[in-house]
Amino acid sequence: SQKIEQNSEALNIQEGKTATLTCNYTNYSPAYLQWYRQDPGRGPVFLLLIRENEKEKRKERLKVTFDTTLKQSLFHITASQPADSATYLCALDIGTNAGKSTFGDGTTLTVKP
Amino acid sequence: GAVVSQHPSWVICKSGTSVKIECRSLDFQATTMFWYRQFPKQSLMLMATSNEGSKATYEQGVEKDKFLINHASLTLSTLTVTSAHPEDSSFYICSAITAGVNNEQFFGPGTRLTVL
Repeated sequence: SQKIEQNSEALNIQEGKTATLTCNYTNYSPAYLQWYRQDPGRGPVFLLLIRENEKEKRKERLKVTFDTTLKQSLFHITASQPADSATYLCALDIGTNAGKSTFGDGTTLTVKP
Repeated sequence: GAVVSQHPSWVICKSGTSVKIECRSLDFQATTMFWYRQFPKQSLMLMATSNEGSKATYEQGVEKDKFLINHASLTLSTLTVTSAHPEDSSFYICSAITAGVNNEQFFGPGTRLTVL
């Protein structure tokens, strides 16, 4: 069966360190993968999209990698700040139904000062 | 960036009543809108895909007669929870996409529904 797994429900790190979040999937062939940030009681906010033929994408302090052989995406936040504390969701889209994505359960990141 | 609004942001209703939630794209035309529900500490579960001028496509297990979706224009979709029951209490979130933006979904702020 198809499955998306994000590592650990919660991740706690010290301010200034790099946070690394993992998204693993099975029985999918995604055309692209997206990462979203969600704050409590709010809708998700789009962060980055990476396509199946791309290995890495960067945006300011964010970096996403996509390994279709390992069926894994890594999401890095460098020089983390307490304001980065939130839940981060990965979402897969197989590309056959434009925009229809399947979301992982999310990882809640807490950055301590 | 593109903005999606939802109204109301929260609603409390009695069991058996119907509740309508609006989702609007404020500064762009949305070719497709999606409706999700989210339970505490769980991910977003897609309920249905809504295209302007056509019937919504519901995900398996979602009752279309229970969750009525109308996509009357390129900027407005509504979700009506009919004859709501306490188990329908959840966080309902809509999103919208528009052609040519890499299928990025723009999410609304969500609507918290509590059925007493």
